[in-house]
Amino acid sequence: DIVMTQSPDSLAVSLGERATINCKSSQSVLYSRNNKNHLVWYQQKPGQPPKLLISWASTRESGVPDRFSGSGSGTDFTLTISSLQAEDVAIYYCQQFYSFPITFGQGTRLEIK
Amino acid sequence: EVQLVETGGGLIQPGGSLRLSCAASGLTVSNNYMNWVRQAPGKGLEWVSVIYSGAGTHYADSVKGRFTISRDNSKNTLYLQMSSLRAEDTAVYYCARELDGPVGYFDLWGRGTLVTVSS
Repeated sequence: DIVMTQSPDSLAVSLGERATINCKSSQSVLYSRNNKNHLVWYQQKPGQPPKLLISWASTRESGVPDRFSGSGSGTDFTLTISSLQAEDVAIYYCQQFYSFPITFGQGTRLEIK
Repeated sequence: EVQLVETGGGLIQPGGSLRLSCAASGLTVSNNYMNWVRQAPGKGLEWVSVIYSGAGTHYADSVKGRFTISRDNSKNTLYLQMSSLRAEDTAVYYCARELDGPVGYFDLWGRGTLVTVSS
C-alpha cells in the first residue's frame, strides 16, 4: 500500500497569512501514461463530509476559491492557502489514487492563530 | 440536486451485524463506481469498499470477509452489510461517488451515518 504522510499534523496561521500543508507519498504517484499526478486534496469542516478541493495535484475544483492551490509532483506535494480566511478552518487530507487501495494522509488540522 | 443519504447506523454489540444504506438522487448508482469510506471518531479517513458499474467489488483488508457491498438498481441504493462487528469498526460511514476509477477519487459524499460497536 502507498503510505501518505502529511506535515505538519496541525498548523496555526494568522488571518490573511499563507498556510502551507505538505503531503509525501511512499512511492511516486506520477503515472507515466498520462503524465499526471494521481493525488487530490480534501477539506473537512467539523460535522461535515470531506469536500474535494483539488484534483490531479493542482486542478482546482469548480467553486473553490483561488486562494487554494496545489503543487508538487512524484512523491512531494503541497496545498497552499495564500491568504487564510476564517472559513478555512478545517482538517485537510491528501489522497492518492495511483494504486489500489486508495489511501489518505492522516490529516492536517488548520486553525487561526 | 445530486445527493447521497446514508442511513442504518446505530449502536450494535460486538459480533453483531448491521446493514447500511445509501440512497442516491440525481445520479444512477449502477452507472458509477460507488464506495464506502469510514472515519473513526477523531481520526482520519479510511477507504472500506467499492462496487464498480460492472458489479465487481473490492474491500480493504480490515473488512474483507466480514463486509459485503451491494446495490439495488431498482431503488438506486447502495448497501454495506457488516457482520462480525468489532469495536474498531466504530466510525462514521460515508458513501461516496468515485471519479476516474478504477482507483479514483471522490467528488460526491453523503453526510455519513455513525456506527458504534460496543457492549
